Amino acid sequence: DQQVKQNSPSLSVQEGRISILNCDYTNSMFDYFLWYKKYPAEGPTFLISISSIKDKNEDGRFTVFLNKSAKHLSLHIVPSQPGDSAVYFCAASDPNAGGTSYGKLTFGQGTILTVHP
Amino acid sequence: DGGITQSPKYLFRKEGQNVTLSCEQNLNHDAMYWYRQDPGQGLRLIYYSQIVNDFQKGDIAEGYSVSREKKESFPLTVTSAQKNPTAFYLCASSMVTGANVLTFGAGSRLTVL
Repeated sequence: DQQVKQNSPSLSVQEGRISILNCDYTNSMFDYFLWYKKYPAEGPTFLISISSIKDKNEDGRFTVFLNKSAKHLSLHIVPSQPGDSAVYFCAASDPNAGGTSYGKLTFGQGTILTVHP
Repeated sequence: DGGITQSPKYLFRKEGQNVTLSCEQNLNHDAMYWYRQDPGQGLRLIYYSQIVNDFQKGDIAEGYSVSREKKESFPLTVTSAQKNPTAFYLCASSMVTGANVLTFGAGSRLTVL
């Protein structure tokens, strides 16, 4: 049962344009959402997060939007740069997932973003 | 520089052998985790530990074992009971208060021959 889904395995964007990565979830108990970026043969690095009490969080070129009623979040990167080419994972946290939820993140399958010069 | 060190980066194993993956952190984080990544799948939690000498099973703990004798170290043993051990293994750590932001190591790729 995939509670966090990234339905687009890949996305190709021209440099300077906007990249929009999408993520859907089914568990209404998730209260914190994160995006991680991963290069090949490396560990994921934290990018940006959002609490369920907000609907938008912005950090430089990166903005995450949360639509709780639709159980959907998206990551916008604008303008996109070739260095943004990586795999992007969304992740979610459920505070009721047995004891404490710390670090017990549920990850999506990832979306490969390619930004062409 | 603070961070997480995983070793070895690449490991080959014959079927029936146990292998241990090392994970060391100098971030002074209380919690540590092991995740597994397979192609086309998200990261799945194997084991986690929030304090020394204590650890909990994650979603896919069967065929794995861990220990947490020191705050800095959280080794993972992939036993012969793990039916499909070939994967990319990621160790992570975090504080136990505040946001659930994990810091990951660079990973270890295990291939069973």
